[in-house]
Amino acid sequence: ETGVTQTPRHLVMGMTNKKSLKCEQHLGHNAMYWYKQSAKKPLELMFVYSLEERVENNSVPSRFSPECPNSSHLFLHLHTLQPEDSALYLCASSHPFGGPGDNEQFFGPGTRLTVL
Amino acid sequence: AQSVTQLGSHVSVSEGALVLLRCNYSSSVPPYLFWYVQYPNQGLQLLLKYTTGATLVKGINGFEAEFKKSETSFHLTKPSAHMSDAAEYFCAVSGGYGGSQGNLIFGKGTKLSVKP
Repeated sequence: ETGVTQTPRHLVMGMTNKKSLKCEQHLGHNAMYWYKQSAKKPLELMFVYSLEERVENNSVPSRFSPECPNSSHLFLHLHTLQPEDSALYLCASSHPFGGPGDNEQFFGPGTRLTVL
Repeated sequence: AQSVTQLGSHVSVSEGALVLLRCNYSSSVPPYLFWYVQYPNQGLQLLLKYTTGATLVKGINGFEAEFKKSETSFHLTKPSAHMSDAAEYFCAVSGGYGGSQGNLIFGKGTKLSVKP
């Protein structure tokens, strides 16, 4: 596998379910991101990890819980979601802030989440 | 702080016509600027980027963009549209160095339609 991969690509869950989204990058990066993309809304940055530490959390509800066990993997744990959480969830990676590179982010294909 | 404004949420052109997608930015530090493309049900793919040096940058698929500091603009152009260019295009800015200014700030996107 190359680049940034995300699993699953599609997920349907009920409001009482618990599920996790997985992101893996094979680019040697040390910063990883979760974004939410809803219809007719701008791309929303949810979480940022740099060197495995969370550096930004943009007021995301606690029903979304990120985890970054190492520099190659990022998870988004989901529980008791609402229908308005249905969206495309995108993962991205880059070099860490202040490191080499130019902040270019590389995106995965996304997970299409539907909450019933 | 940075911000991005993309003029026009929808742009429609005929096949073979000039494509012009507008992007204006605001940045308190020298910006890094990016254009990404998103095809349906896919992640974002980098088209081109400006960091330093030559202000006219060429990207993939025949696209190019010119950084104009005096106009705080980074418009995306392509001389001749192809049906395969139909997608959503996102302009983004970052601060070019560490801390939260390393994050990409995205515009709301412009959906490009190409008519036969």
